[in-house]
Formats: sequence, C-alpha cells, structure tokens
Amino acid sequence: AQKVTQAQTEISVVEKEDVTLDCVYETRDTTYYLFWYKQPPSGELVFLIRRNSFDEQNEISGRYSWNFQKSTSSFNFTITASQVVDSAVYFCALSEGSGGYQKVTFGTGTKLQVIP
Amino acid sequence: SQTIHQWPATLVQPVGSPLSLECTVEGTSNPNLYWYRQAAGRGLQLLFYSVGIGQISSEVPQNLSASRPQDRQFILSSKKLLLSDSGFYLCAWSGPRGRSNSNQPQHFGDGTRLSIL
Repeated sequence: AQKVTQAQTEISVVEKEDVTLDCVYETRDTTYYLFWYKQPPSGELVFLIRRNSFDEQNEISGRYSWNFQKSTSSFNFTITASQVVDSAVYFCALSEGSGGYQKVTFGTGTKLQVIP
Repeated sequence: SQTIHQWPATLVQPVGSPLSLECTVEGTSNPNLYWYRQAAGRGLQLLFYSVGIGQISSEVPQNLSASRPQDRQFILSSKKLLLSDSGFYLCAWSGPRGRSNSNQPQHFGDGTRLSIL
C-alpha cells in the first residue's frame, strides 16, 4: 500500500526566509510518480511539479526547488526568499497504478503562513 | 488548452435533501475523472474515479454516488444528505498515460463548498 507523510502540519516564517516542506513516502512499486500541489486560500489545487522514480535530479523553478532522494524515500520542497503569496496549504502526492487508473495518494498537507 | 469547470461554487443544503454537483472538462478526450472531499483543515479523500463513460469506481462506501453520462462530464449525487457530508468537494481530471506510460498529474476544479444545516 502506498502512503505519504507530511509531518509538518503548520509552518510560519517571516517573509524572505527560506522554508522546506518535508514529504516522506512509502511504496512497493519500483515505478511511481511524486507530485506537489499548492492550495491557496481560494481553495483550488494547483499542480506544481511531477517527478518519476527514475529521475533523481533535483529541480529548480524560480524560487522553488525540489530534492528527491530515493534512499530516504523523501521528496522535499524548498521555497527560497518566501513571499506572502506563498501562503497556502501544500500537498505532496504519490501515484502508482497500472491500466487506465492512476491511483494517487495525497499527504495531509502542510499549511505555510508567510508573515510580512 | 484544457479547462475544468465545477459548479456550484458554494451550496447550503438541509439535512435529507438531494445533491447534484457537476463537473465538466474541455479540451481533452477520454480523461480520467475524480471526485475528492476535503474536510475542514484536513487532507483529500478520494470518493470516486472514472476511466470512461459509465465506468465508476468507489473508494469509500457512503451515501454518495457518481455518474459519468458523457466523456467529459462527471456528476456527484446524493438522495439524502447527512450532516457529515459537509465539506469541500473537488473534481479533477488527468490525461491518459503518456507515451512512456507515465502517470499524469491531476488538474483540479475550483471546488464546491457544501454546508449541511
């Protein structure tokens, strides 16, 4: 069975600080995909990144960076120089599956508050 | 480009009343479709998913049902709402597996806030 753990329920940082959101996953599959989503106060979930299990290269997109380490089953998300607009709930997700259905398991989310 | 529409945005219903939430996707064919519920301050719970017209799978037994009458239309229904049905309901779609058999990200609608009185 697949599982995603986001141990940090809430994090508060002051604007311009760096912050890392942790994500640890469990799966028996050798092929799987990891995702991060952002849920701002308005409610919709916004897809941020997808990473497959064969690609351990870290990725950077502007102020966002992701560190994927299979050895520790972690896929952590770092925001550099945080801004108030980064305030949201962030979800990590894991996808396995075969056939047409792509089962996705979401973590419980980390609420990030960036204080001006 | 693909878009997903979900309505209504908010809904207040009395206990025991029926429910119908609708979701439509544009700009893609044969998407996988999903209904999630998010209780206040909690994570996402998958309720139903569909890989094709008329094909519905339920993840959690409950008094809700789902239907997919058309390729890009997904409906969440209930005959009699319970207080515990309150929450934030999200519809999502994902594309079929990529050429490399890769799992596709899910794309979400704006959600429906359902309050049961």
